[in-house]
Amino acid sequence: QLQLRESGSGLVKPSETLSLTCAVSGGSISSGGYSWSWIRQPPGKGLEWIGYIYQSGTTFYNPSLKSRVTISVDTSKNQFSLKVSSVTAADTAVYYCARRVGSRCDIWGQGTMVTVSS
Amino acid sequence: QSVLTQPPSVSGAPGQRVTISCTGSSSNIGANYDVHWYQQLPGTAPKLLIYGHSSRPSGVPDRFSGSKSGTSASLAITGLQAEDEADYYCQSYDSSLDVWVFGGGTRLTVL
Repeated sequence: QLQLRESGSGLVKPSETLSLTCAVSGGSISSGGYSWSWIRQPPGKGLEWIGYIYQSGTTFYNPSLKSRVTISVDTSKNQFSLKVSSVTAADTAVYYCARRVGSRCDIWGQGTMVTVSS
Repeated sequence: QSVLTQPPSVSGAPGQRVTISCTGSSSNIGANYDVHWYQQLPGTAPKLLIYGHSSRPSGVPDRFSGSKSGTSASLAITGLQAEDEADYYCQSYDSSLDVWVFGGGTRLTVL
């Protein structure tokens, strides 16, 4: 059974860079037909798609975040990562990683809370 | 403000049928991009409930069904149960914004 688990810094200072990693277990991140996504959810609010990456390294980002977001993949470690630069309080959210097949996210991680505060 | 509009809340008694709408436009649902639905139980990650307008992943009860017409999609839940109390989100692609979008979410309360 494929599982995803997020990890990384839970508290980030304003203007610094948020870094998260999603470890994939129970299957290979290099399996064809999938891409690997990041989605976030501010406290008490709805879901926002951040972007996704293929095993090849090809990425697609939400235009509203594109200038600050980098998603990368490490197939040797079976994981992919998210970096968001120049963070503000508006980046405070639960961050989810998910497997994407077609245009849907069929398997999600449990999520990790990131707070931006000095 | 999402380009996919959902009612903030719906409610129903156990055993009843409820529907949740997801209203879009010609640049998303109306352009025939797939619509997916997710269920988010309190304090948990979203779970794929319906994909491709009306298909159910393995393990999702047939009490849940999806449909699409024109620029809108709907999620129907029949035989409402207390365990269905959750937030529900629709998702599609918007070609004008060039982004995958979620609806604002609908909180279902089982009375």
